[in-house]
Amino acid sequence: AQSVSQHNHHVILSEAASLELGCNYSYGGTVNLFWYVQYPGQHLQLLLKYFSGDPLVKGIKGFEAEFIKSKFSFNLRKPSVQWSDTAEYFCAVNLGGSQGNLIFGKGTKLSVKP
Amino acid sequence: GAGVSQSPSNKVTEKGKDVELRCDPISGHTALYWYRQSLGQGLEFLIYFQGNSAPDKSGLPSDRFSAERTGGSVSTLTIQRTQQEDSAVYLCASSLLGGGGRVAKNIQYFGAGTRLSVL
Repeated sequence: AQSVSQHNHHVILSEAASLELGCNYSYGGTVNLFWYVQYPGQHLQLLLKYFSGDPLVKGIKGFEAEFIKSKFSFNLRKPSVQWSDTAEYFCAVNLGGSQGNLIFGKGTKLSVKP
Repeated sequence: GAGVSQSPSNKVTEKGKDVELRCDPISGHTALYWYRQSLGQGLEFLIYFQGNSAPDKSGLPSDRFSAERTGGSVSTLTIQRTQQEDSAVYLCASSLLGGGGRVAKNIQYFGAGTRLSVL
């Protein structure tokens, strides 16, 4: 079965540190890729998405992600994190062209120390 | 509405009781999805609707779970004879897919969820 792996369960950083959260998926065909964020007490929000074209996608709040097809990866990055980035981050995959469900990773909790 | 609306936001029930969870999708969104978020399990897909029909029910964990959608809008997820392992946050998402005959990308927008606690 297709799956999504997020390598880090909990990441703790100080403000201004750089962030990279790993995401790998297991599916050999076309995929659409997403990162969602869930701030404490809030609902899931779309951070960024990849459907096609430039593999480096930019999202809200200074986040970006790079799709590397050969590595089946879609890592999330931010050059300098802020305390307000404290949240849980979920990588998700939709099998290409599919109207169906997203397959989610188990999430990475990010704690940013002020 | 402006976003996906779910009710109730919290539900506490006794083991063995039936519960109904409601989802009101973004206006005009043709696709609707139910997921379950529980500790240690992440987000699990339950069922998906395109219009009023459910092409994929593969995620429903048992026959105690059912869902319907009427008028291409509101959906209800019903859990019969609730068990303690049903305790979780139930999330609904909607997506504009093929609405009005257009081809649209499957971008899912989530509601705030219903937190179900089975005592």
